[in-house]
Amino acid sequence: EADIYQTPRYLVIGTGKKITLECSQTMGHDKMYWYQQDPGMELHLIHYSYGVNSTEKGDLSSESTVSRIRTEHFPLTLESARPSHTSQYLCATRQGGNEKLFFGSGTQLSVL
Amino acid sequence: GESVGLHLPTLSVQEGDNSIINCAYSNSASDYFIWYKQESGKGPQFIIDIRSNMDKRQGQRVTVLLNKTVKHLSLQIAATQPGDSAVYFCADGIYNQGGKLIFGQGTELSVKP
Repeated sequence: EADIYQTPRYLVIGTGKKITLECSQTMGHDKMYWYQQDPGMELHLIHYSYGVNSTEKGDLSSESTVSRIRTEHFPLTLESARPSHTSQYLCATRQGGNEKLFFGSGTQLSVL
Repeated sequence: GESVGLHLPTLSVQEGDNSIINCAYSNSASDYFIWYKQESGKGPQFIIDIRSNMDKRQGQRVTVLLNKTVKHLSLQIAATQPGDSAVYFCADGIYNQGGKLIFGQGTELSVKP
């Protein structure tokens, strides 16, 4: 079954640690996105990719970085986590020509 | 910058009643609108979408209404069920402009048995 996989689901880490949030998809979609969401609040686009070796920053400034070496994989990295990074991170995909976004279950990150 | 917002942060309805969730958008150039449902601990799930060349679209138990004059859209849920309890988000964008949707603050729908 086609799906979007995000790992880990929950992560609690200390300040200053480097972390990578994983997102993999078997949807066969070429476009992938990372959104940041605080509890009960709207989603903010932080990164997106239209294909392999393509990455762009989103509307919300973020200290994270992304890479797109393979079509199905779009990891997000924080070099030095801070408490202000505490949030939910949602990965999404979209097929070109269709505006509908499909979301993963998210990673809830807590930085102490 | 543009933003999308919802009129009410919470909505409580009786099981079996109809629910109406409202949304306002500010970007006059937006021509694509979409509703998502987000249950606790899960990612947003697509409900229904509509393009600006329509003012109404129906799905299974859901209807989206679009009023471009006042930049307003609404989601109607018929015969609301306990499983409909969730946070509902609207989002807008420009069709074929990279899928960069602007999300509004959600409305939490609670269904009382």
